[in-house]
Amino acid sequence: ILNVEQSPQSLHVQEGDSTNFTCSFPSSNFYALHWYRWETAKSPEALFVMTLNGDEKKKGRISATLNTKEGYSYLYIKGSQPEDSATYLCASNFGNEKLTFGTGTRLTIIP
Amino acid sequence: NAGVTQTPKFQVLKTGQSMTLQCAQDMNHNSMYWYRQDPGMGLRLIYYSASEGTTDKGEVPNGYNVSRLNKREFSLRLESAAPSQTSVYFCASHEARGYQPQHFGDGTRLSIL
Repeated sequence: ILNVEQSPQSLHVQEGDSTNFTCSFPSSNFYALHWYRWETAKSPEALFVMTLNGDEKKKGRISATLNTKEGYSYLYIKGSQPEDSATYLCASNFGNEKLTFGTGTRLTIIP
Repeated sequence: NAGVTQTPKFQVLKTGQSMTLQCAQDMNHNSMYWYRQDPGMGLRLIYYSASEGTTDKGEVPNGYNVSRLNKREFSLRLESAAPSQTSVYFCASHEARGYQPQHFGDGTRLSIL
């Protein structure tokens, strides 16, 4: 089983502050890296799918970068808002369609 | 456009009972997946179907069976429920062409007493 690891497990951030967290994955047989946002009592929603080394994607105040050679991706949130409170999951395909998920980073924004 | 629809949303079973979780998607996706989500464990793949008529085991298939009834529907069956199968179950679908994200249903919260 190929491990996808996320850190930290949980994070409390003051409203208005910026934050970032990490997803690590094996760099061999890399295919794609996915980020999902998962609010409590809802289903995961896709944020980004990245494939190329050096890729950067942005959606509003949220952005992500990808380093496939060293096997990590960062998710950044600028100017955190209460609605950003959620668990952020990353997942990777390794040469096939199946995704291996990390255990997530639970983000809580403190008003 | 409903996306991925799971039924039921909640279910309580007694140990040894059987039940089938239903999943349907209306996005014409080829691939469908069943995951379970347990505290501290993230999403773990139970079974998946890359196309109509095919199914394959994922990371935690023991105690489950699946049926890909047609392109739209992918069901998960617990033949003899055990307390260890208490979990939240998510169905997902995926357009296999290109690097596309998975689309998830709202989940089924299952408790086995």
